[in-house]
Amino acid sequence: DAGVTQSPTHLIKTRGQQVTLRCSPISGHKSVSWYQQVLGQGPQFIFQYYEKEERGRGNFPDRFSARQFPNYSSELNVNALLLGDSALYLCASSTGTKTGELFFGEGSRLTVL
Amino acid sequence: AQSVSQHNHHVILSEAASLELGCNYSYGGTVNLFWYVQYPGQHLQLLLKYFSGDPLVKGIKGFEAEFIKSKFSFNLRKPSVQWSDTAEYFCAVKANQGGKLIFGQGTELSVKP
Repeated sequence: DAGVTQSPTHLIKTRGQQVTLRCSPISGHKSVSWYQQVLGQGPQFIFQYYEKEERGRGNFPDRFSARQFPNYSSELNVNALLLGDSALYLCASSTGTKTGELFFGEGSRLTVL
Repeated sequence: AQSVSQHNHHVILSEAASLELGCNYSYGGTVNLFWYVQYPGQHLQLLLKYFSGDPLVKGIKGFEAEFIKSKFSFNLRKPSVQWSDTAEYFCAVKANQGGKLIFGQGTELSVKP
């Protein structure tokens, strides 16, 4: 079975641009979460979606938005990119919102110049 | 607010040495606890988890962790490390009724052959 897949794996943007990151969860998983991992730190929670509805939001500005589609895949959008948005963006899927175990993808590494 | 603290930023051991990585969390309610591992170039993988019951939890690859509620700790142990254990280790906590994981800052383990 395929794990969590993310695209693109690497991308470079300039300040002020917008980026869209994509995630496909494990088959049968209905919940998708997004995390930001800055170099040298642990992942930080951005969003959780379940059945296309936002179920949780971390302490990130409104420039960050996400959505989940009927097939449970998800997109993370970041507008007006700042240098500080450079990070590894991780997508994780799980069967539900309360179940503990998250399965992570390999991430999308975003560099903002 | 919940937080997770990992005591060691970088640990260097020789093969066959014993390992203990410290993890403390701050949250007064019921929690689920996790250790994730990130091998070089790979995605985050679950090592072990604690939900309830026996506070001594055994995970994959010979790792174990002990939940000590009175100390708000969930330390990771392995009796004899191998070179292939070189990786970054993350402790994470989830409030029992919450969906998001709070990660520690990670501990980089280097095992010398």
